[in-house]
Amino acid sequence: AQSVTQPDIHITVSEGASLELRCNYSYGATPYLFWYVQSPGQGLQLLLKYFSGDTLVQGIKGFEAEFKRSQSSFNLRKPSVHWSDAAEYFCAAQNYGGSQGNLIFGKGTKLSVKP
Amino acid sequence: DAGVIQSPRHEVTEMGQEVTLRCKPISGHDYLFWYRQTMMRGLELLIYFNNNVPIDDSGMPEDRFSAKMPNASFSTLKIQPSEPRDSAVYFCASSASGRAVHEQYFGPGTRLTVT
Repeated sequence: AQSVTQPDIHITVSEGASLELRCNYSYGATPYLFWYVQSPGQGLQLLLKYFSGDTLVQGIKGFEAEFKRSQSSFNLRKPSVHWSDAAEYFCAAQNYGGSQGNLIFGKGTKLSVKP
Repeated sequence: DAGVIQSPRHEVTEMGQEVTLRCKPISGHDYLFWYRQTMMRGLELLIYFNNNVPIDDSGMPEDRFSAKMPNASFSTLKIQPSEPRDSAVYFCASSASGRAVHEQYFGPGTRLTVT
């Protein structure tokens, strides 16, 4: 069955430190891949997406993600974390050429930032 | 440009009562999605519409749940009768065909508590 796995439920980093959030997918073919961020009490905001082409994609708020086909991974990174980055992050995947509704989310990784 | 609008933001009701959640998608978007978010199950797609027509309602948990989209700018999700296990945050999202296909924009959610 298709699935998206985020192995880390909760991560704490110091402000200014680098960040990497892990995401693995299980699909028959390479899906479309997304990262969303959810601040407390808010809806989800799209950070970045990968459809094809360059495997390193840039997003908003200084985030980037790298697609690695061999590892079925799409990890999110940021070189220097700010306190305002504290939120929950969701990786999601959708069948290539599939229906709009087939967007599957991981369970999320909650990021805490230490001063 | 206004994003996806949901109302109410919070709803507290007693078991057995009817609950109606409302959503206004982004103008010009032709896809609308309803999701439910719980700690146990994460984000689940309940139903989605394309051009006001329900395309896939396989995620609707029971006959107690129903959704309508009478026009391009309004959708409702109704639970009748409500039960405590329906307590969750319900999100509406919308997206557009064409170049921005697959990019879903989420509303702030409705936090439903059924006592």
